[in-house]
Amino acid sequence: QVQLQESGPGLVKPSQTLSLTCSVSGDSISRGSYFWNWIRQPAGKGLEWIGRIHTSGSTNYHPSLKSRVTVSVDKSKNQFSLKLNSVTAADTAIYYCARSEDSRGYMKAGFDYWGQGTLVTVSS
Amino acid sequence: DIQMTQSPPSLSASVGDRVTITCQASQDIKKFLNWYQQKPGKAPEVLIFDASNLKTGVPSRFSGRVSGTTFTFTISSLQPEDLAKYYCQQYKILPYTFGQGTKLEIK
Repeated sequence: QVQLQESGPGLVKPSQTLSLTCSVSGDSISRGSYFWNWIRQPAGKGLEWIGRIHTSGSTNYHPSLKSRVTVSVDKSKNQFSLKLNSVTAADTAIYYCARSEDSRGYMKAGFDYWGQGTLVTVSS
Repeated sequence: DIQMTQSPPSLSASVGDRVTITCQASQDIKKFLNWYQQKPGKAPEVLIFDASNLKTGVPSRFSGRVSGTTFTFTISSLQPEDLAKYYCQQYKILPYTFGQGTKLEIK
């Protein structure tokens, strides 16, 4: 059973960098053809996809965040990470990591495994 | 970005009722749509993928269908444990986008 767990600071000051890590257990992050995604949800609001990294290392980002976001992977630790620069209060949200399977460039069967989510508040 | 217009934003129904939620895509996304259930305080879980395929283990009272660019999610007989917020999500074109969600309450 694949499990994902987010970790990182719960409070970030405006203009600083939000850094989160997603630890994957139950399978190797290097195995197969998967996308490892970050998704966020402001309190009481809807879901926003942030970006993803493929098993091969290729990345894709939401155009509205592309200038500020980096998703990377550490295969030795079976983890992937999110960095979001120059944060503002608008970046306050629950951040989820999630897996999706790659099927010829399209996701297969949705985001099939999710972390429990971690609340990040941007405030001075 | 592809806009997903989901309706209604909320609804209240009784146990045993048939419940329907609709999602309209701003352009043709073929069958590339998933439906998620998010219970309070939890991460979303996929129920239906490719517009109409039920994920293994999901009760058969949940179903989905597509007609053109309009997607429909149905619970045939509402159960108390179906209290949740439901989201559609398109994956035809990046960035992936979600509907605004439908909050389902049990009368």
